[in-house]
Amino acid sequence: EVQLVESGGGLVKPGGSLRLSCAASGFTFSSYSMNWVRQAPGKGLEWVSSISSSSSYIYYADSVKGRFTISRDNAKNSLYLQMNSLRAEDTAVYYCARDSGGDPAYWGQGTLVTVSS
Amino acid sequence: NFMLTQPHSVSESPGKTVTISCTRSSGSIASNYVQWYQQRPGSSPTTVIYEDNQRPSGVPDRFSGSIDSSSNSASLTISGLKTEDEADYYCQSYDSSILWVFGGGTKLTVL
Repeated sequence: EVQLVESGGGLVKPGGSLRLSCAASGFTFSSYSMNWVRQAPGKGLEWVSSISSSSSYIYYADSVKGRFTISRDNAKNSLYLQMNSLRAEDTAVYYCARDSGGDPAYWGQGTLVTVSS
Repeated sequence: NFMLTQPHSVSESPGKTVTISCTRSSGSIASNYVQWYQQRPGSSPTTVIYEDNQRPSGVPDRFSGSIDSSSNSASLTISGLKTEDEADYYCQSYDSSILWVFGGGTKLTVL
């Protein structure tokens, strides 16, 4: 069974940092591109960042470019999102999502990030 | 870069059929696969259609996906509507091969 479990969310002050983690299991992690997607309260899904299976290709939404860094450790079946210079508008549930690549995409349960003083 | 446009909301009665559209603003809809996600309140999204028209195991065959190059859009059709289908639905496609692009989401009400 495919499982994606996010952790690392919480309350942080504006300008602060957080590191999100996503532990993957039930599939060959190193074969799939991975993504971070966020959803602000009452809003739609917003793509944040994508990383290819071998980390060769990395993309960011303009809203987070220069502040967020995506990475992965295929040996540990883990995906990460380092978030710096956090703003109130970064408040959202952050989801880890596996790309499709011939199979359905899978999503984690999400982790809430709240940026507030 | 392109955008995906969905209707904000649709409603239909139980047992009927509803179609949700997803129109690509530039470039061909057929150039990149389209996925459809269902999100019920308080839950994370789940895939109901992947790679344009593939249905994951466990998703009822009442759900189907298609691509129409003439309108440059993708569609999610749900037949035999049930109250449990009431949810938000999002289309998603790709830019630069792995970069995800989402539609704004459609709220389906089954009344």
